[in-house]
Amino acid sequence: DTAVSQTPKYLVTQMGNDKSIKCEQNLGHDTMYWYKQDSKKFLKIMFSYNNKELIINETVPNRFSPKSPDKAHLNLHINSLELGDSAVYFCASSQGVLSGNTIYFGEGSWLTVV
Amino acid sequence: EDQVTQSPEALRLQEGESSSLNCSYTVSGLRGLFWYRQDPGKGPEFLFTLYSAGEEKEKERLKATLTKKESFLHITAPKPEDSATYLCAVQAPGYSSASKIIFGSGTRLSIRP
Repeated sequence: DTAVSQTPKYLVTQMGNDKSIKCEQNLGHDTMYWYKQDSKKFLKIMFSYNNKELIINETVPNRFSPKSPDKAHLNLHINSLELGDSAVYFCASSQGVLSGNTIYFGEGSWLTVV
Repeated sequence: EDQVTQSPEALRLQEGESSSLNCSYTVSGLRGLFWYRQDPGKGPEFLFTLYSAGEEKEKERLKATLTKKESFLHITAPKPEDSATYLCAVQAPGYSSASKIIFGSGTRLSIRP
């Protein structure tokens, strides 16, 4: 069983479109995240939810909107896609937000905007 | 500014040739240092967490060590299946602990048979 699963794995879309990436975790964790990995392989946090409550919102354009229907799911919706949004988006989860809690990642969603 | 720097960017070794990867960090009040392995087309896979200087952890051919300024990932007698990108991340104090996890850009390790 996949612990953190996200769909779709690959997404190619045109500029200006709206798209969503879905994420589910079956680890029973309270906290979920969206990370973006750029072409230089740096992983940067975008959002974090703890028990369905938004606790981290880094400097991300308003076109990106996370939604957490329950603590096992965290979806990412992107409006008006731009070329610069092309990247790999990773969903992740951890047990709470305390220091040192291990973060477990999904397989990634490769977004290409053309 | 909190920062994580990994070196080298890429490392090619012969099978059985031991070596070390470096992760240097500048952060006030380290809460934890993490090592992850990332295979092409996959998400990062957790390896180790280190909390304080002097701590060491081992898993198969890998051993992670921590000082006040850097961490090393030692790989002993590597095999081709150890080829991957190894990511280091540090957790610093922030308004929420989860917010201040900073990743390095990784070391691409390639082991030739």
